[in-house]
Amino acid sequence: AQKVTQAQTEISVVEKEDVTLDCVYETRDTTYYLFWYKQPPSGELVFLIRRNSFDEQNEISGRYSWNFQKSTSSFNFTITASQVVDSAVYFCALLNSGYALNFGKGTSLLVTP
Amino acid sequence: EAGVAQSPRYKIIEKRQSVAFWCNPISGHATLYWYQQILGQGPKLLIQFQNNGVVDDSQLPKDRFSAERLKGVDSTLKIQPAKLEDSAVYLCASSLGEGHRANYGYTFGSGTRLTVV
Repeated sequence: AQKVTQAQTEISVVEKEDVTLDCVYETRDTTYYLFWYKQPPSGELVFLIRRNSFDEQNEISGRYSWNFQKSTSSFNFTITASQVVDSAVYFCALLNSGYALNFGKGTSLLVTP
Repeated sequence: EAGVAQSPRYKIIEKRQSVAFWCNPISGHATLYWYQQILGQGPKLLIQFQNNGVVDDSQLPKDRFSAERLKGVDSTLKIQPAKLEDSAVYLCASSLGEGHRANYGYTFGSGTRLTVV
């Protein structure tokens, strides 16, 4: 069975704080792909990152960084020096063997000035 | 390139009425998906097409929902009759499909927000 758990429902931070969004996944596949999407209030899903199961290197893109650890089945997302524009719902997702995405329930991030 | 097009953007209907949503995927994308996103939840796959064949419709409530993808391009999702719990955003996505598992070209449309009253 494929499952993605985002235990944090809502997070509120003050601008310039760092924030980490947690994602834990379950899969029996040896090859799989993990994703993070951002959904701003306008509603569209914005692709942030893809990581395959063979690549455990952490990735940094500007203020965003991702920590993938197969040992703990986690794929956490950190925003450094958060900004108001980062306010959105963030989804972690797992690509299954049929090429469809299994999403977590999302974490709503509110960044206040 | 043009993105995934969906229409209408918003729809309000009364329960027991029928409604249809349309999706035009990115040109050349063999795989098309319909997802349902209920408020406060993550998107849930309803149906997946590979060209004009159904790959996975295990989570589609077939007593009221139907979908087709004629000629392997555009797709229509229909609900008949609608229930209050069908209120959600219906997202269409497309990808290059088989052999391209790594989200290579996996793109979402802006969605159709359905309100059933």
